[in-house]
Amino acid sequence: SQKIEQNSEALNIQEGKTATLTCNYTNYSPAYLQWYRQDPGRGPVFLLLIRENEKEKRKERLKVTFDTTLKQSLFHITASQPADSATYLCALDRGGDMRFGAGTRLTVKP
Amino acid sequence: DVKVTQSSRYLVKRTGEKVFLECVQDMDHENMFWYRQDPGLGLRLIYFSYDVKMKEKGDIPEGYSVSREKKERFSLILESASTNQTSMYLCASSYGGNEQFFGPGTRLTVL
Repeated sequence: SQKIEQNSEALNIQEGKTATLTCNYTNYSPAYLQWYRQDPGRGPVFLLLIRENEKEKRKERLKVTFDTTLKQSLFHITASQPADSATYLCALDRGGDMRFGAGTRLTVKP
Repeated sequence: DVKVTQSSRYLVKRTGEKVFLECVQDMDHENMFWYRQDPGLGLRLIYFSYDVKMKEKGDIPEGYSVSREKKERFSLILESASTNQTSMYLCASSYGGNEQFFGPGTRLTVL
């Protein structure tokens, strides 16, 4: 069956460090992968999309990689700030609809 | 500013009641989605729609139905609410295979 796994439920890091979140998938061949941010009590907000033929995508302090051989995406936040504290979700294309991982709750401590 | 709105932020219903959750988007998107979100389980797709009057089952459609009579509106119906349908319900819309725009969510409690 198709599975999406995000490396851990929670990740705590110190302000200024780089946060790295992992998204692994099995029995999928997605054309693209997306990352979303979700704050408590709110709907997810889109951050980045990376296509299967792209190795890396950047947006300000965010970087996403996509390795279709390893079936893995890495999401990096450089120079992290307490305001980056949130839950981050990866989502995989399924040819029209999306499937989401359970998310990783990131806490950045000052 | 693009927007997806949901009819209620919080809702409390009794077991056996028929429940309607409404979602409206102002972006002229073809695709609309209903998810539920539970701790540790993430977002699970209930139903989605590619066009007016069209609907497709997601991963957990049992106990739910949907209606899309107009392009901008997608309704989720709980025919007979049960306590295991207590959850956060999120609506989203998208154009093609692009990013999804989410509403603020409805936290439904079934007593």
